[in-house]
Amino acid sequence: KAGVTQTPRYLIKTRGQQVTLSCSPISGHRSVSWYQQTPGQGLQFLFEYFSETQRNKGNFPGRFSGRQFSNSRSEMNVSTLELGDSALYLCASSPTTLQGGDGGYTFGSGTRLTVV
Amino acid sequence: AQSVSQHNHHVILSEAASLELGCNYSYGGTVNLFWYVQYPGQHLQLLLKYFSGDPLVKGIKGFEAEFIKSKFSFNLRKPSVQWSDTAEYFCAVNVYSSASKIIFGSGTRLSIRP
Repeated sequence: KAGVTQTPRYLIKTRGQQVTLSCSPISGHRSVSWYQQTPGQGLQFLFEYFSETQRNKGNFPGRFSGRQFSNSRSEMNVSTLELGDSALYLCASSPTTLQGGDGGYTFGSGTRLTVV
Repeated sequence: AQSVSQHNHHVILSEAASLELGCNYSYGGTVNLFWYVQYPGQHLQLLLKYFSGDPLVKGIKGFEAEFIKSKFSFNLRKPSVQWSDTAEYFCAVNVYSSASKIIFGSGTRLSIRP
């Protein structure tokens, strides 16, 4: 079956702009989590969505937001981009929420965002 | 706050050498433990996971990990590494609380000399 699909793969934006990233989970997976990966900070948890509801949120400013649609696809939005937002943004899906399931993620290949 | 520590940032080994990557977490409650691998240019893949039962867990490609609850550790091992094991390895912990999430360590870069 198809894996986790993230689009676009690469993105270059200017400081102050906003950006929307998309993630399509594995068919049947209802939970989508987002992570930011940078060389200095590693993988930092952004948020988790399950059944269109945000279940959990990491320690990121309000400029980072997300949503999930009824087909489980998720989008992540970053407004007023800063240079420090340059990173690889990873989406991970799992069949249920971490609390209810076996907790394993399947990751997408990520969207590489560069802010100039 | 919960955290995951991977003490080795970069490990360099020759082929056929034995490997052990350290991972410690800080949380006293119920946890699930994972090791993920990221090969150059590829996405993160699950290597192995521990939920309950036998603390020695076997994963793909000959990797195994041992959960030692008293030491809050989940070290990754492989008896004989290959050049194709060159990758970045991440230890991760799922903390069962009112708001569960997976916390990742900072990663260990493994370089294998052919």
